[in-house]
Amino acid sequence: NAGVMQNPRHLVRRRGQEARLRCSPMKGHSHVYWYRQLPEEGLKFMVYLQKENIIDESGMPKERFSAEFPKEGPSILRIQQVVRGDSAAYFCASSPSIQRVFGEQFFGPGTRLTVL
Amino acid sequence: QKEVEQNSGPLSVPEGAIASLNCTYSDRGSQSFFWYRQYSGKSPELIMSIYSNGDKEDGRFTAQLNKASQYVSLLIRDSQPSDSATYLCAVSKGSWGKLQFGAGTQVVVTP
Repeated sequence: NAGVMQNPRHLVRRRGQEARLRCSPMKGHSHVYWYRQLPEEGLKFMVYLQKENIIDESGMPKERFSAEFPKEGPSILRIQQVVRGDSAAYFCASSPSIQRVFGEQFFGPGTRLTVL
Repeated sequence: QKEVEQNSGPLSVPEGAIASLNCTYSDRGSQSFFWYRQYSGKSPELIMSIYSNGDKEDGRFTAQLNKASQYVSLLIRDSQPSDSATYLCAVSKGSWGKLQFGAGTQVVVTP
């Protein structure tokens, strides 16, 4: 079984540009989560989505950040007008529709965003 | 008070010894508890999950949960150099809710 897929693995943007990060969940998983890990900091929750619905966006910065999980295709985390402080590793995780253990999430390889 | 707290380490453990990692959480509504291993520059890898009080063993790993005291621990027996990594404690309140992570404990296994 393919795991959670993320692309690109590395992304370099200049200040003011847009960054688009993509995530395809594991087969049989319909719940997608985005987390951010700043250098030397812990993992922080950003947003939880199901197909065509944002369930919890309590961790998303109020401006410049948005996320979607369309009916077809991968989940997208979009960062507009990037600033240097956005440089981080962005991880996507997915969770199965039927859970063996409540809350289990499986992580993708991450996208390392560098803002110049 | 942080929602999930761990000792940052580094925790230095001789090869073959037992590594003991602790985690406390503040929300009594938490239902599921996880340990992830993260190698430098890599993504978190789920190694243990537990949601009932007591011990759960899986190979060289044992997770312990005490909801009354609001702590969860991880024991790594017969530690190997390949166990050198940061171990993240994570807590969930519901079936598909977000995970709250601790800052992680760095473990260094010395030959």
